[in-house]
Amino acid sequence: DSGVTQTPKHLITATGQRVTLRCSPRSGDLSVYWYQQSLDQGLQFLIQYYNGEERAKGNILERFSAQQFPDLHSELNLSSLELGDSALYFCASSVVDRPTDTQYFGPGTRLTVL
Amino acid sequence: AQSVTQLGSHVSVSEGALVLLRCNYSSSVPPYLFWYVQYPNQGLQLLLKYTSAATLVKGINGFEAEFKKSETSFHLTKPSAHMSDAAEYFCAVSLSGAGSYQLTFGKGTKLSVIP
Repeated sequence: DSGVTQTPKHLITATGQRVTLRCSPRSGDLSVYWYQQSLDQGLQFLIQYYNGEERAKGNILERFSAQQFPDLHSELNLSSLELGDSALYFCASSVVDRPTDTQYFGPGTRLTVL
Repeated sequence: AQSVTQLGSHVSVSEGALVLLRCNYSSSVPPYLFWYVQYPNQGLQLLLKYTSAATLVKGINGFEAEFKKSETSFHLTKPSAHMSDAAEYFCAVSLSGAGSYQLTFGKGTKLSVIP
């Protein structure tokens, strides 16, 4: 158990819908990262928050957004869903934001768009 | 830009045999390198990381990796494979972007262990 929790574990929805994925980082970790894992694209970095502020963006679509709240939990919002958005979405957290920091991964949310 | 390449999307070894999973990096600056393991239907777990302190890095579950700058490699090894090692393994580099550090992953190597 990494100490990072993600809900829900599974999510099935239809095209055009909007969903919210939730992540609670390890106690004391200030950085939260979101990754997408799909068969064709592999593991890709989406976005990072550090202590409530957006720190970096990767290959995140404009239809996707995220935020980190004062209690440091984070939510990833996916809207106007398409079939290709079906994937595993991971949240990871680290203590701060150093290049050598270990990122601890949650169990993931499996999103299926029908 | 920094990236990693994992040679072999699928590796099969016999139980008790040497495990060797290959990872090569490309980087214009000293990289920070990681190996993660993903068991079926689970998240990623850190096996070990290279942070420039020592070129031979020991990790959990008997795994180790050696950083070789001349070969731009960071291969993962384990002397004797166990059935429980069957999983997917990812090599990653810590990539700097706009003041932050996110991980860039290789495409992964699925390890099968044959009894």
